[in-house]
Amino acid sequence: RKEVEQDPGPFNVPEGATVAFNCTYSNSASQSFFWYRQDCRKEPKLLMSVYSSGNEDGRFTAQLNRASQYISLLIRDSKLSDSATYLCVVNKNNNDMRFGAGTRLTVKP
Amino acid sequence: GAVVSQHPSRVICKSGTSVKIECRSLDFQATTMFWYRQFPKQSLMLMATSNEGSKATYEQGVEKDKFLINHASLTLSTLTVTSAHPEDSSFYICSARDLGEVTNEKLFFGSGTQLSVL
Repeated sequence: RKEVEQDPGPFNVPEGATVAFNCTYSNSASQSFFWYRQDCRKEPKLLMSVYSSGNEDGRFTAQLNRASQYISLLIRDSKLSDSATYLCVVNKNNNDMRFGAGTRLTVKP
Repeated sequence: GAVVSQHPSRVICKSGTSVKIECRSLDFQATTMFWYRQFPKQSLMLMATSNEGSKATYEQGVEKDKFLINHASLTLSTLTVTSAHPEDSSFYICSARDLGEVTNEKLFFGSGTQLSVL
């Protein structure tokens, strides 16, 4: 079983749609969690950290469920510019961050 | 915010040559830098953790003699792909943490190096 698993997609959605991604992790001792966004052949950029209480940043909402060992990302009112690959990142300990394979999102006009 | 500079951005070389990739933290110090490799449509795979002033820690399956890592200062780490072969063609990317951050979990990434070995 992979340490961090994501549905690779692709998710093809129309503009304005709401889309959700899930990510599961295998190590119950994992400490912190993040969603990164990566455009093709570019470096990943931090989208948001994920906290147990859940957090929201504009159209983006992240949730963490430690009991079930998954995190989620919800994007509301999708924009064309949201098209990218979304990477789930799990911090096992301070120097060991593991990346999921990424979920590809394409938002179409 | 913190900036990580990675050079070169693209390399095309003949099989058997060695290629050096540099990763610099421009406005912060990083005792630890990370090197990743990403094949098309696949995830970032951690290759090694580079520690300033000591030997790098390699992930299982990564040949340390083929992928030489040097981290001689708090702002510079280099990855040398020795005797590169076509199967080494990939996107290589480095990242670092800012020691000055209270919670230094955030990774700052270089812009990546696309290596193509002919």
